[in-house]
Amino acid sequence: SQKIEQNSEALNIQEGKTATLTCNYTNYSPAYLQWYRQDPGRGPVFLLLIRENEKEKRKERLKVTFDTTLKQSLFHITASQPADSATYLCALDISGNTPLVFGKGTRLSVIA
Amino acid sequence: DAGVTQSPTHLIKTRGQQVTLRCSPKSGHDTVSWYQQALGQGPQFIFQYYEEEERQRGNFPDRFSGHQFPNYSSELNVNALLLGDSALYLCASSSSNRGNYEKLFFGSGTQLSVL
Repeated sequence: SQKIEQNSEALNIQEGKTATLTCNYTNYSPAYLQWYRQDPGRGPVFLLLIRENEKEKRKERLKVTFDTTLKQSLFHITASQPADSATYLCALDISGNTPLVFGKGTRLSVIA
Repeated sequence: DAGVTQSPTHLIKTRGQQVTLRCSPKSGHDTVSWYQQALGQGPQFIFQYYEEEERQRGNFPDRFSGHQFPNYSSELNVNALLLGDSALYLCASSSSNRGNYEKLFFGSGTQLSVL
């Protein structure tokens, strides 16, 4: 079965720096990969989606890359702010017709 | 435009009891998925409902059942509760018009505690 690993359980960075979160997967290559943000006691909120034929996607201060050879996605937040502190979840879909499989998430803390 | 709404927000039950959780999808969405999220874990897929039928199911026992109504709202039922069922239960909605599993819109969840 598909396995997702988000390498760091927690990541602490200084305000203004770039945060980089990693998502690795095994077995099949997904049709697309998504990143969500989750605040404590709340449901995940969709941030970005990247398809298997795309290498990079950007949205404001966010950037996602997708390397199907390495079976890895990187999620970057540039000029990070304390308000970016949250848990970030990676999720993938194998075929575009299967349920999203989520990683455990990485808890990001941006320190002022 | 109301997003995904879930009720109740919190629930405390004892072992062996039964529970029903409710979800109203985002306006314009016709597909509802349920996820279980244990503390410190990512959401785990329970099942998905579309056109009032269970379309896909994750690795959960038959104690977990659901229903979708003609207005697309949905219920999750859990029978014979176990301590291990304590978790945040998330409902997510999506539109079948945009592909089966495009981005999901989540509710805030129901925090279930089984004592």
